[in-house]
Amino acid sequence: DIQMTQSPSSLSASVGDRVTITCRASQSVNTYLNWYQQKPGKAPKLLIYGISNLQSGVPSRFSGSGSGTDFTLTISSLQPEDFATYYCQQSYIVRTFGQGTKVEVK
Amino acid sequence: EVQLVESGGGLIQPGGSLRLSCAASGFTVSSNYMSWVRQAPGKGLEWVSIIYSSGSAYYADSVKGRFTISRDNSKNTLYLQMNSLRAEDTAVYYCARTTVDTALDYLDYWGQGTLVTVSS
Repeated sequence: DIQMTQSPSSLSASVGDRVTITCRASQSVNTYLNWYQQKPGKAPKLLIYGISNLQSGVPSRFSGSGSGTDFTLTISSLQPEDFATYYCQQSYIVRTFGQGTKVEVK
Repeated sequence: EVQLVESGGGLIQPGGSLRLSCAASGFTVSSNYMSWVRQAPGKGLEWVSIIYSSGSAYYADSVKGRFTISRDNSKNTLYLQMNSLRAEDTAVYYCARTTVDTALDYLDYWGQGTLVTVSS
């Protein structure tokens, strides 16, 4: 199975900050890399698919980049509603998620 | 509007069985790939199973041989039959539509989840 490792596991940030979360795969996942946001008690929500494609309705402050085994989710200017946990997911071989990155208020 | 509504969760003793349902509206289950994902209390997301539009099904190693994914086309509903349940199966179970395209494969619509608790 492909292992997905996110870093950091948590971070503290303020409104307006630029936030970057990284995701590393144990082997290449081609373009099969997605990002989800989850708030407490809610279902995950798709943010970005295929490394860098923004899901419909997702604000443009979210962006994704990377290739092969190393990927990044960036929030250009953190908003109050962005405090949540973020997961990367590969769907190249079977499907696996990263362990999550919790974005907390500084 | 796409909607997914799970049901069937509850408290079950170890070794028992439970069937989860996921009623879909706004799209046709049989024409799409459909997945189950679970989340243990306070933990991250774990992919469980997928059924392709062809009917082919795949499972995580942790549930292989114990869980069965299926669908009822007439009811536009997805199911997860869970047998030989263990304490470590305790989780919120989500169904999700899986959209697949050239070099793309992602979970674009999710249900609200149903809680399964395995305990004596």
